[in-house]
Amino acid sequence: QQQVKQSPQSLIVQKGGISIINCAYENTAFDYFPWYQQFPGKGPALLIAIRPDVSEKKEGRFTISFNKSAKQFSLHIMDSQPGDSATYFCAASGNAGNMLTFGGGTRLMVKP
Amino acid sequence: GAVVSQHPSWVICKSGTSVKIECRSLDFQATTMFWYRQFPKQSLMLMATSNEGSKATYEQGVEKDKFLINHASLTLSTLTVTSAHPEDSSFYICSAIPGKNSPLHFGNGTRLTVT
Repeated sequence: QQQVKQSPQSLIVQKGGISIINCAYENTAFDYFPWYQQFPGKGPALLIAIRPDVSEKKEGRFTISFNKSAKQFSLHIMDSQPGDSATYFCAASGNAGNMLTFGGGTRLMVKP
Repeated sequence: GAVVSQHPSWVICKSGTSVKIECRSLDFQATTMFWYRQFPKQSLMLMATSNEGSKATYEQGVEKDKFLINHASLTLSTLTVTSAHPEDSSFYICSAIPGKNSPLHFGNGTRLTVT
């Protein structure tokens, strides 16, 4: 059973555009929601994370929006750049990052 | 920042042989490390939780006798793929948490190819 569902599987965005990736979870015990960025042949790197006590968190061009009642959260990448082209994973856990459950991933391509 | 180092970054071995992958926390102590497996174009799947000084906890469906985990010190965990077969070819990634309320940090992964 996939506890964290991520969409879309792939995304193509023009340079300067907004990239939006969505995730939905089922386990109401989850209380930590990070996003990871992974380049080919590399391990995932933490991008930004949010806890359910806030509805939005922004760090530079990256914003997480969180809807607790809908059990959904999303990543917005503003002013997308070709260097942002990577695979993005949402994740969730019930204990400050331990035992992460990952979404299926989104392959983002930003065209120049 | 916290660094998790994996070695080797890639390895090719023959079917039937064993391969050891090392995961080190370079600037922090990790009582717990996690081992993930990732097939091409797929997500990360947790294989096992490695606990320093005790037995690893394996996820359902992961053969503990095939994927041997040893966490002998606070900075080193090893994953040994025993009697490797082509279907074991995958990207193996370890991770650790630098401290309480810290996020999970990943190593750069090990690409295993079994011929």
